[in-house]
Amino acid sequence: AQSVTQLGSHVSVSEGALVLLRCNYSSSVPPYLFWYVQYPNQGLQLLLKYTTGATLVKGINGFEAEFKKSETSFHLTKPSAHMSDAAEYFCAVRGLSNTGKLIFGQGTTLQVKP
Amino acid sequence: GAVVSQHPSRVICKSGTSVKIECRSLDFQATTMFWYRQFPKQSLMLMATSNEGSKATYEQGVEKDKFLINHASLTLSTLTVTSAHPEDSSFYICSASGGQSLQAFFGQGTRLTVV
Repeated sequence: AQSVTQLGSHVSVSEGALVLLRCNYSSSVPPYLFWYVQYPNQGLQLLLKYTTGATLVKGINGFEAEFKKSETSFHLTKPSAHMSDAAEYFCAVRGLSNTGKLIFGQGTTLQVKP
Repeated sequence: GAVVSQHPSRVICKSGTSVKIECRSLDFQATTMFWYRQFPKQSLMLMATSNEGSKATYEQGVEKDKFLINHASLTLSTLTVTSAHPEDSSFYICSASGGQSLQAFFGQGTRLTVV
């Protein structure tokens, strides 16, 4: 079985500070991992994904994530938060089937204070 | 990236009526589409997986007779909420994947309010 756990349902940082959103996964096979961002009343936008190869993945809007197999983690980071980063963030692992089904974490609300 | 269009973005309907939500893949053939439901401040809950030309596979606890899913073509899937009640009010999101893509693309979501 596969699962995703996001530690911290709510993270608050000051503008310009480091953003760290935590994600741990459980998977019986090499995982495909994703981070999505959701703004209010909108769908999900892909920030970045890890499939194979380099474990440090760079995404849009200055975000990056590092796949650490030994820690079963895929934490999302951004060196300097911007007010526009305030949103809901979801970590997801692709299901075992080939259909593209995703298993989502509970989500983390990022608040950015001026 | 690929584009998935979901329509309508917002709908209000009376209790007892039915509502249809469309999900279209605009620039690729979506062999599989997913329908999710999202309650406020919560994660996405997968309702069903639909493959083009076959019956949808519903997740446990999702009433297939209430949430009718049709995936008649490689570019269109529809979700019909039948005999809607206030408790069906939620945010519904579709996503689509196709071919060898490892990624699912999401629609903009539909805010359903049943009054």
